[in-house]
Amino acid sequence: GAVVSQHPSWVICKSGTSVKIECRSLDFQATTMFWYRQFPKQSLMLMATSNEGSKATYEQGVEKDKFLINHASLTLSTLTVTSAHPEDSSFYICSAPGVSGNTIYFGEGSWLTVV
Amino acid sequence: KNEVEQSPQNLTAQEGEFITINCSYSVGISALHWLQQHPGGGIVSLFMLSSGKKKHGRLIATINIQEKHSSLHITASHPRDSAVYICAVQGAQKLVFGQGTRLTINP
Repeated sequence: GAVVSQHPSWVICKSGTSVKIECRSLDFQATTMFWYRQFPKQSLMLMATSNEGSKATYEQGVEKDKFLINHASLTLSTLTVTSAHPEDSSFYICSAPGVSGNTIYFGEGSWLTVV
Repeated sequence: KNEVEQSPQNLTAQEGEFITINCSYSVGISALHWLQQHPGGGIVSLFMLSSGKKKHGRLIATINIQEKHSSLHITASHPRDSAVYICAVQGAQKLVFGQGTRLTINP
């Protein structure tokens, strides 16, 4: 079964609204989680590193006020796309390193469509 | 030039063929990952390598640190192996991804 669970899998929202995507580590604690974005037929791009109990670290070019990341517990990180626009439509996926550091687990991903 | 280059970008083969996907990188790494992404988007980690060779079932991954090159091999390929295979290199914490190789295995 999944060790990192991401929800929702699919979401359609109207322009101007906000959407929250959750990423949960199951049966292990993840002090760090990563959020990625992927456009069709393109590579994964790291958006930000989510750190439990502290501010997220955003990659260059990613607006922190638009993509709000909260990592309030050792098993949950959330990404909120605020004031969504059609160009925010994309595949968003989270990951967390395994406890032993020998692997990495990905969530199932979330397809966001902004209409 | 991308830090991680994969080849080929697309590969179509017949069931049973031996498959090789290559990955070259230009940065220092602590580890290299091979990932499998299915059409629905979900990603599974296949291997994490820092040296040598690993084998899991019909999948084999090798890495040559000196040459900054890794290969993923699939023996006795099957249509269910059809997916995008992604090479990702790990620095201190972050992953840098290749463009992926779209593999199609025809029955």
